[in-house]
Amino acid sequence: DAKTTQPNSMESNEEEPVHLPCNHSTISGTDYIHWYRQLPSQGPEYVIHGLTSNVNNRMASLAIAEDRKSSTLILHRATLRDAAVYYCIPSGGTSYGKLTFGQGTILTVHP
Amino acid sequence: SQTIHQWPATLVQPVGSPLSLECTVEGTSNPNLYWYRQAAGRGLQLLFYSVGIGQISSEVPQNLSASRPQDRQFILSSKKLLLSDSGFYLCAWSSRATEAFFGQGTRLTVV
Repeated sequence: DAKTTQPNSMESNEEEPVHLPCNHSTISGTDYIHWYRQLPSQGPEYVIHGLTSNVNNRMASLAIAEDRKSSTLILHRATLRDAAVYYCIPSGGTSYGKLTFGQGTILTVHP
Repeated sequence: SQTIHQWPATLVQPVGSPLSLECTVEGTSNPNLYWYRQAAGRGLQLLFYSVGIGQISSEVPQNLSASRPQDRQFILSSKKLLLSDSGFYLCAWSSRATEAFFGQGTRLTVV
Protein backbone atom coordinates (compact mmCIF):
# COMPACT_ATOMS: atom_id res chain seq x y z
CA ASP A 1 0.00 0.00 0.00
CA ALA A 2 1.17 3.52 -0.80
CA LYS A 3 2.33 5.59 2.17
CA THR A 4 0.61 8.95 2.65
CA THR A 5 1.67 12.09 4.49
CA GLN A 6 -0.89 14.63 5.66
CA PRO A 7 -0.66 17.54 8.11
CA ASN A 8 -1.81 16.50 11.57
CA SER A 9 -4.17 19.46 11.80
CA MET A 10 -5.39 22.53 9.95
CA GLU A 11 -7.64 25.43 10.83
CA SER A 12 -9.99 27.52 8.78
CA ASN A 13 -12.61 30.18 9.21
CA GLU A 14 -16.18 29.66 8.15
CA GLU A 15 -16.98 30.65 4.56
CA GLU A 16 -13.31 30.52 3.55
CA PRO A 17 -11.74 27.97 1.18
CA VAL A 18 -9.67 25.14 2.64
CA HIS A 19 -6.89 23.30 0.86
CA LEU A 20 -5.99 19.96 2.45
CA PRO A 21 -2.75 18.53 1.05
CA CYS A 22 -1.64 14.92 0.80
CA ASN A 23 1.64 13.42 -0.36
CA HIS A 24 1.53 9.90 -1.79
CA SER A 25 4.85 9.61 -3.59
CA THR A 26 4.80 5.78 -3.73
CA ILE A 27 1.37 5.53 -5.33
CA SER A 28 1.08 2.86 -8.01
CA GLY A 29 -0.08 3.65 -11.50
CA THR A 30 -3.45 1.96 -11.00
CA ASP A 31 -4.32 3.36 -7.58
CA TYR A 32 -7.14 5.84 -7.30
CA ILE A 33 -6.83 8.64 -4.77
CA HIS A 34 -9.75 8.55 -2.36
CA TRP A 35 -10.71 11.10 0.25
CA TYR A 36 -12.92 10.28 3.19
CA ARG A 37 -13.83 12.31 6.22
CA GLN A 38 -14.94 11.25 9.68
CA LEU A 39 -17.04 13.38 11.95
CA PRO A 40 -16.78 12.72 15.70
CA SER A 41 -18.30 9.41 16.79
CA GLN A 42 -19.41 8.55 13.26
CA GLY A 43 -18.25 6.27 10.50
CA PRO A 44 -16.17 7.70 7.66
CA GLU A 45 -17.97 9.39 4.80
CA TYR A 46 -16.82 9.31 1.20
CA VAL A 47 -15.86 12.73 -0.15
CA ILE A 48 -14.32 12.31 -3.58
CA HIS A 49 -11.88 10.23 -5.61
CA GLY A 50 -9.88 10.52 -8.79
CA LEU A 51 -7.16 8.93 -10.88
CA THR A 52 -5.37 11.56 -12.94
CA SER A 53 -7.69 14.42 -13.81
CA ASN A 54 -9.03 16.96 -11.38
CA VAL A 55 -12.49 16.08 -10.10
CA ASN A 56 -15.41 18.10 -8.78
CA ASN A 57 -18.54 17.08 -6.94
CA ARG A 58 -21.08 18.76 -4.73
CA MET A 59 -18.91 18.33 -1.65
CA ALA A 60 -15.43 19.25 -2.83
CA SER A 61 -12.83 19.40 -5.57
CA LEU A 62 -9.78 17.20 -5.93
CA ALA A 63 -6.65 18.54 -7.57
CA ILE A 64 -4.15 15.85 -8.55
CA ALA A 65 -0.56 16.69 -9.38
CA GLU A 66 0.61 15.78 -12.85
CA ASP A 67 3.08 13.20 -11.45
CA ARG A 68 0.32 11.89 -9.12
CA LYS A 69 2.64 12.06 -6.13
CA SER A 70 0.42 14.53 -4.35
CA SER A 71 -3.12 15.77 -4.30
CA THR A 72 -5.16 18.51 -2.65
CA LEU A 73 -8.72 18.35 -1.41
CA ILE A 74 -10.43 21.70 -1.78
CA LEU A 75 -13.44 22.73 0.25
CA HIS A 76 -14.61 25.88 -1.49
CA ARG A 77 -16.48 27.42 1.44
CA ALA A 78 -15.89 25.77 4.77
CA THR A 79 -18.81 25.41 7.15
CA LEU A 80 -18.87 24.31 10.77
CA ARG A 81 -20.20 20.94 9.59
CA ASP A 82 -16.99 20.39 7.64
CA ALA A 83 -15.03 20.04 10.88
CA ALA A 84 -13.77 16.44 10.74
CA VAL A 85 -10.75 14.23 10.23
CA TYR A 86 -9.91 14.04 6.53
CA TYR A 87 -8.19 10.95 5.16
CA CYS A 88 -6.34 10.68 1.87
CA ILE A 89 -6.19 7.02 0.74
CA PRO A 90 -4.60 5.62 -2.40
CA SER A 91 -6.49 2.46 -3.24
CA GLY A 92 -6.56 -0.03 -6.05
CA GLY A 93 -9.54 -0.22 -8.35
CA THR A 94 -10.36 -3.85 -7.60
CA SER A 95 -11.94 -3.15 -4.23
CA TYR A 96 -12.98 0.34 -3.32
CA GLY A 97 -13.79 -0.58 0.24
CA LYS A 98 -10.46 -2.14 1.14
CA LEU A 99 -8.95 1.02 2.51
CA THR A 100 -5.78 1.69 4.50
CA PHE A 101 -6.44 4.66 6.75
CA GLY A 102 -3.60 6.81 8.04
CA GLN A 103 -3.87 9.38 10.81
CA GLY A 104 -5.52 11.97 8.58
CA THR A 105 -5.81 15.74 9.04
CA ILE A 106 -7.98 17.16 11.80
CA LEU A 107 -9.78 20.18 10.32
CA THR A 108 -11.06 22.80 12.73
CA VAL A 109 -13.47 25.41 11.39
CA HIS A 110 -13.89 28.63 13.36
CA PRO A 111 -17.12 30.61 13.21
CA SER B 1 -31.40 3.32 -2.09
CA GLN B 2 -28.83 1.35 -0.20
CA THR B 3 -28.61 1.40 3.57
CA ILE B 4 -26.36 -0.27 6.09
CA HIS B 5 -27.47 -1.20 9.57
CA GLN B 6 -25.11 -1.95 12.41
CA TRP B 7 -26.00 -2.76 15.99
CA PRO B 8 -25.77 -2.27 18.86
CA ALA B 9 -24.51 1.30 18.99
CA THR B 10 -22.74 0.81 22.30
CA LEU B 11 -21.76 -2.27 24.23
CA VAL B 12 -20.02 -2.91 27.54
CA GLN B 13 -18.79 -6.45 28.00
CA PRO B 14 -16.68 -8.15 30.69
CA VAL B 15 -13.33 -9.69 29.84
CA GLY B 16 -13.76 -13.30 28.78
CA SER B 17 -17.34 -12.90 27.55
CA PRO B 18 -18.38 -13.65 23.96
CA LEU B 19 -19.13 -11.02 21.33
CA SER B 20 -21.44 -10.86 18.37
CA LEU B 21 -21.84 -7.71 16.29
CA GLU B 22 -24.17 -7.77 13.32
CA CYS B 23 -24.25 -5.74 10.14
CA THR B 24 -26.81 -5.90 7.35
CA VAL B 25 -27.03 -4.11 4.04
CA GLU B 26 -30.21 -3.32 2.14
CA GLY B 27 -30.81 -2.25 -1.43
CA THR B 28 -27.91 -3.99 -3.11
CA SER B 29 -26.81 -7.52 -3.91
CA ASN B 30 -23.45 -9.26 -3.68
CA PRO B 31 -21.73 -6.37 -1.93
CA ASN B 32 -18.17 -6.48 -0.67
CA LEU B 33 -18.38 -6.29 3.13
CA TYR B 34 -15.81 -5.04 5.62
CA TRP B 35 -15.17 -4.83 9.35
CA TYR B 36 -12.92 -2.04 10.60
CA ARG B 37 -11.80 -1.15 14.10
CA GLN B 38 -10.69 2.20 15.45
CA ALA B 39 -8.84 2.24 18.75
CA ALA B 40 -9.07 5.42 20.83
CA GLY B 41 -7.25 8.31 19.15
CA ARG B 42 -6.08 6.23 16.21
CA GLY B 43 -6.95 5.60 12.59
CA LEU B 44 -9.16 2.82 11.29
CA GLN B 45 -7.75 -0.64 10.75
CA LEU B 46 -9.27 -3.16 8.36
CA LEU B 47 -9.99 -6.42 10.21
CA PHE B 48 -11.92 -8.58 7.74
CA TYR B 49 -13.40 -8.34 4.30
CA SER B 50 -15.68 -10.58 2.29
CA VAL B 51 -16.42 -10.72 -1.42
CA GLY B 52 -19.17 -13.35 -1.13
CA ILE B 53 -21.09 -15.72 1.13
CA GLY B 54 -18.72 -17.82 3.17
CA GLN B 55 -15.65 -16.01 1.80
CA ILE B 56 -13.76 -14.22 4.55
CA SER B 57 -10.28 -12.71 4.43
CA SER B 58 -8.52 -11.65 7.62
CA GLU B 59 -6.17 -8.72 7.45
CA VAL B 60 -4.59 -8.99 10.91
CA PRO B 61 -4.20 -11.83 13.41
CA GLN B 62 -6.43 -11.26 16.39
CA ASN B 63 -8.94 -12.56 18.86
CA LEU B 64 -11.85 -11.99 16.50
CA SER B 65 -13.53 -13.85 13.67
CA ALA B 66 -16.05 -12.92 11.00
CA SER B 67 -18.76 -14.78 9.16
CA ARG B 68 -21.07 -14.07 6.26
CA PRO B 69 -24.03 -16.45 6.51
CA GLN B 70 -26.13 -14.52 3.99
CA ASP B 71 -25.34 -12.25 1.06
CA ARG B 72 -26.02 -9.04 2.93
CA GLN B 73 -25.20 -10.07 6.49
CA PHE B 74 -21.79 -9.79 8.11
CA ILE B 75 -21.08 -10.84 11.68
CA LEU B 76 -18.09 -10.10 13.87
CA SER B 77 -17.53 -12.49 16.77
CA SER B 78 -15.26 -13.40 19.59
CA LYS B 79 -15.38 -16.37 21.95
CA LYS B 80 -13.56 -14.55 24.78
CA LEU B 81 -13.05 -10.80 24.77
CA LEU B 82 -9.80 -9.19 25.84
CA LEU B 83 -9.32 -5.67 27.18
CA SER B 84 -7.46 -4.83 23.97
CA ASP B 85 -10.60 -5.58 21.95
CA SER B 86 -12.14 -2.31 23.12
CA GLY B 87 -12.70 0.16 20.31
CA PHE B 88 -15.05 1.56 17.73
CA TYR B 89 -16.13 -1.14 15.26
CA LEU B 90 -17.37 -0.14 11.85
CA CYS B 91 -19.02 -2.20 9.16
CA ALA B 92 -18.83 -1.05 5.55
CA TRP B 93 -19.90 -2.18 2.12
CA SER B 94 -18.94 -1.39 -1.43
CA SER B 95 -19.45 -2.75 -4.88
CA ARG B 96 -16.51 -3.24 -7.23
CA ALA B 97 -16.99 0.19 -8.72
CA THR B 98 -18.28 2.39 -5.92
CA GLU B 99 -16.89 3.98 -2.86
CA ALA B 100 -17.30 2.42 0.58
CA PHE B 101 -20.32 3.18 2.72
CA PHE B 102 -19.88 2.90 6.46
CA GLY B 103 -22.34 2.12 9.21
CA GLN B 104 -22.71 4.22 12.33
CA GLY B 105 -20.44 1.97 14.33
CA THR B 106 -20.47 0.09 17.63
CA ARG B 107 -18.49 1.43 20.53
CA LEU B 108 -17.28 -1.60 22.49
CA THR B 109 -15.82 -1.27 25.96
CA VAL B 110 -14.36 -4.38 27.52
CA VAL B 111 -14.15 -4.11 31.31
